[in-house]
Amino acid sequence: AQSVTQPDIHITVSEGASLELRCNYSYGATPYLFWYVQSPGQGLQLLLKYFSGDTLVQGIKGFEAEFKRSQSSFNLRKPSVHWSDAAEYFCAVGGYNQGGKLIFGQGTELSVKP
Amino acid sequence: NAGVTQTPKFRVLKTGQSMTLLCAQDMNHEYMYWYRQDPGMGLRLIHYSVGEGTTAKGEVPDGYNVSRLKKQNFLLGLESAAPSQTSVYFCASRAEGRRTDTQYFGPGTRLTVL
Repeated sequence: AQSVTQPDIHITVSEGASLELRCNYSYGATPYLFWYVQSPGQGLQLLLKYFSGDTLVQGIKGFEAEFKRSQSSFNLRKPSVHWSDAAEYFCAVGGYNQGGKLIFGQGTELSVKP
Repeated sequence: NAGVTQTPKFRVLKTGQSMTLLCAQDMNHEYMYWYRQDPGMGLRLIHYSVGEGTTAKGEVPDGYNVSRLKKQNFLLGLESAAPSQTSVYFCASRAEGRRTDTQYFGPGTRLTVL
């Protein structure tokens, strides 16, 4: 079955600390992987995506993610969190030939302590 | 260039009432999607369209109908609303490409069914 798991429902980090959000996926075909961010009351904004090639991808707002095929993971990282990063983060998987349909994880809510 | 817009932003219905949510995109995308977002469940695909005049079922299609009469518009209908359809609804359109595949999301419609 195709699925995405984000094991952490809620994470709290101090401002300036590093961040890692976990994402594990199960997908039969070659996966396209995405991280989206959603601020309260807003739509989803794409942070970064992985299709192929270099397994470490850079995104907007200083985020990066690493694709590890052997672990079926696509974890999101940021070296130093800012208060404005407080939001909900969604990992998603899809396939080019699957109608572009995305399967989303449950989301991880990030709180940032001053 | 407005991207993806959704109308209305908020709506309260009584059980059994009907309504239509409108999604419009100005990016000339072929693919469009309707998702619902519920706490702890991420986003789930309701219906999608691969081009004008086409529609297909997603993961949770029951109780919803869609139409894509014009390429830029994708309508989501609830014929007889139920409390279980209380949710936030997001529309997205897809920029298709082997290395550029991205879905762009609208701001969402918050629907409450009493």
